[in-house]
This record gives sequence, structure tokens and C-alpha cells, in this order.
Amino acid sequence: NAGVTQTPKFRILKIGQSMTLQCAQDMNHNYMYWYRQDPGMGLKLIYYSVGAGITDKGEVPNGYNVSRSTTEYFPLRLELAAPSQTSVYFCASSSGQGGDNQPQHFGDGTRLSIL
Amino acid sequence: GEDVEQSLFLSVREGDSSVINCTYTDSSSTYLYWYKQEPGAGLQLLTYIFSNMDMKQDQRLTVLLNKKDKHLSLRIADTQTGDSAIYFCAAPPRTYNFNKFYFGSGTKLNVKP
Repeated sequence: NAGVTQTPKFRILKIGQSMTLQCAQDMNHNYMYWYRQDPGMGLKLIYYSVGAGITDKGEVPNGYNVSRSTTEYFPLRLELAAPSQTSVYFCASSSGQGGDNQPQHFGDGTRLSIL
Repeated sequence: GEDVEQSLFLSVREGDSSVINCTYTDSSSTYLYWYKQEPGAGLQLLTYIFSNMDMKQDQRLTVLLNKKDKHLSLRIADTQTGDSAIYFCAAPPRTYNFNKFYFGSGTKLNVKP
């Protein structure tokens, strides 16, 4: 029962470095999402995708990019890491049947620190 | 946009009942959800309620929905230390607008032995 798998679990970056956070799901879900969760806060939507080849911005997209070449994978790219991007990043997926209010299934998160 | 509000903290003694409350602004949701986040983990779907129901019971969990007041609550009976976690409600509007799948900021439940 893999569900949504995120790698790496932890990472420390220097300011200005780049990296890709990986996300894979094995549930054949059409919809995938990236969120960030700052300490003591709720979730903010960064980007989402409704299917392979289709992505769109969420609430806080600046400083990030995504791609969705297949149904299974939805990587999140940080090009020039900044301290404000220190956060916990969650990937999620949902079936999409019936619209955008189907339950979302979450990965365990990537804890990212920018120093 | 959708606004989902929760109180930030709740502290109870083991064996007591816990009630976590949530208010929302958009009434078009077909489903309303409760998620649980344990330390160091992602959000786990705990339970949900269909919008035409007033109540749903699932073992120790009871979800109450007051659509008129746009109020959702989660009651945990016989609260255990393993229930200590952050609980998020979600009331996604049925508008096919993914920017509006807002989560509340979460209620941190602390269960004292």
C-alpha cells in the first residue's frame, strides 16, 4: 500500500541552490497537489495538476515550478532557494471523480531547511 | 474565497470526550472532511460527512454538521493519548476551482494521562 511517496524526507540547502522534490502516487489518481506547511500553520497550496501535461498555480507559487509528464509523478522544483522556503512540503493526490471535492491522500512530507 | 476557521488548541484528560469545532463560509461542499496529522507525518483522512447528513458516527468518532450555521464538529469519545495530534477540517467548495480546497489551520489536541 504505497499510496503517495515523497523523497527525500529531509534536506538542507544553501541559499541560491536548487533542488527537486519528488512525488509519486500509485493510485492512478488524476489530480495531484503540492502544499507547504509552515510551523504552527495550516496548508498553503503551491501548485496543482488535473492530469498529465496540465498544471496550474495555487495560492503561493512564486519561487517554484512543477511538471507532470505522467499520471504517476509530480515533481516540485525550487530554482533559487531562499530562507523563506524553509518549510514542510506535502504532496497529495485525489481521484478527481465528481470534481475537486474528493478526499486528498497525502505523502509523509519533505522537511526542507534553507540556510 | 473559502474561509475555514478552527481554534488552535484543545487540551483534555485521557478518558474524557474531545470536541473540535470548525466553521466555514462556502456552503456548496458535497463532502466535508476531517484529517489527522500525527507528529512528523502527513495528513491522514480520518472521516467525512456527506452534506445532506446531520450526523455520522464511526466507532469513537462522531461528526456533526449544522449547514444553516456552517458549523462542523468532530467528537472523540473516550479520548486516548494516541489521539494527540493536529486535526484539520476541510470544506472544499464544489466549484471545480482547486485554489479553493482550503484547509483550516488545524487544532492541536493534547491528551493528558
